[in-house]
Amino acid sequence: DAGVIQSPRHEVTEMGQEVTLRCKPISGHDYLFWYRQTMMRGLELLIYFNNNVPIDDSGMPEDRFSAKMPNASFSTLKIQPSEPRDSAVYFCASSLVRQGGTDTQYFGPGTRLTVL
Amino acid sequence: SQQGEEDPQALSIQEGENATMNCSYKTSINNLQWYRQNSGRGLVHLILIRSNEREKHSGRLRVTLDTSKKSSSLLITASRAADTASYFCATDPRMDSSYKLIFGSGTRLLVRP
Repeated sequence: DAGVIQSPRHEVTEMGQEVTLRCKPISGHDYLFWYRQTMMRGLELLIYFNNNVPIDDSGMPEDRFSAKMPNASFSTLKIQPSEPRDSAVYFCASSLVRQGGTDTQYFGPGTRLTVL
Repeated sequence: SQQGEEDPQALSIQEGENATMNCSYKTSINNLQWYRQNSGRGLVHLILIRSNEREKHSGRLRVTLDTSKKSSSLLITASRAADTASYFCATDPRMDSSYKLIFGSGTRLLVRP
């Protein structure tokens, strides 16, 4: 298996532009997570899905952020309009939750977003 | 808010020495996991310890869990330069049908050759 795939790996955009980050989870995994990592705030969970349904989006910072999972093999995180404070590394992770609770999460390589 | 807090924030040791990192958390948990992150990369799972376990080993890694103190430690024995990375603990809080992990702030480990 290729692991979790994210694209693009790097994105540089100007303030006010729309940004779309993409993620392909590991085949067969039923949970998908979006995280944001910054030096100041560490690793923050933004939203997670179970079987393509959003379960908890309490970490989404504001209405400018939205996430979708139209099918089991694809998810997007969109920021519109983007702001310089959105600059961070965004990670996607997937997991197969087995009996007994949370299992290992497999992380993608991340998308480094820079908003000028 | 962060559930887990690692200590120390940074650690520098000589190759061959042991490295110990600690994690404290706030709420009851189902399990606790440790992850490693190399610079510029995603996190990689190292080991998971369940709330009813006290110690677990995996190769050169040893993890302990003390639920009464709400703390865990990760010991890396006979460290190598390749162990240089950031190490994060992640807890799975006991919440209704919640499967999210909450990550700590991490310990940056530098192993000097």
